[in-house]
Amino acid sequence: SQQGEEDPQALSIQEGENATMNCSYKTSINNLQWYRQNSGRGLVHLILIRSNEREKHSGRLRVTLDTSKKSSSLLITASRAADTASYFCAISNAGGTSYGKLTFGQGTILTVHP
Amino acid sequence: GAGVSQSPSNKVTEKGKDVELRCDPISGHTALYWYRQSLGQGLEFLIYFQGNSAPDKSGLPSDRFSAERTGGSVSTLTIQRTQQEDSAVYLCASRPGGGRLETQYFGPGTRLLVL
Repeated sequence: SQQGEEDPQALSIQEGENATMNCSYKTSINNLQWYRQNSGRGLVHLILIRSNEREKHSGRLRVTLDTSKKSSSLLITASRAADTASYFCAISNAGGTSYGKLTFGQGTILTVHP
Repeated sequence: GAGVSQSPSNKVTEKGKDVELRCDPISGHTALYWYRQSLGQGLEFLIYFQGNSAPDKSGLPSDRFSAERTGGSVSTLTIQRTQQEDSAVYLCASRPGGGRLETQYFGPGTRLLVL
């Protein structure tokens, strides 16, 4: 399967703490994206990291990518209760004809307690 | 500007009935995707449209599923003779063009329940 695998499946932390989620994958990629989902509905794009990038920041988000290990991590610093959501990594595969088709991991459920 | 919209938000149907789900992508976006999210399978790719090219239907789970995109804009996903295992949230996404590096913008989804 080309599906990304995420860990942990669930993460519970206190407000102000940092949250780290990991994603591993099996294929060559064009890019890896992280999405957030609230209440099982629409996905919100958080950040995209290209295969030739190693680290990217956006506000309180930091994403790393290690293509040699086929893994990525998402760090949310100084978490807030509003960060409570499910987080998914999504892989855009290299090659093939479905440009941009995303293969999603199973997600990490993050709960931030006030 | 307006984001991706989907209708209906929720759909309850009886087993064996046909349903149509609609997606309005962001104006000007040439690429459109359908995904399905269910408890047992997570988020799965269903079908991809890019401009006037033949769609990639490799993710459609059976021949009961079909989709079309009229005029390069609105898309309709049709499920014929619905089964209970079709119950899921159906998500549509669009992105601007043919490049491989661009972000996908998701709609709010249609929650389908087949009784």
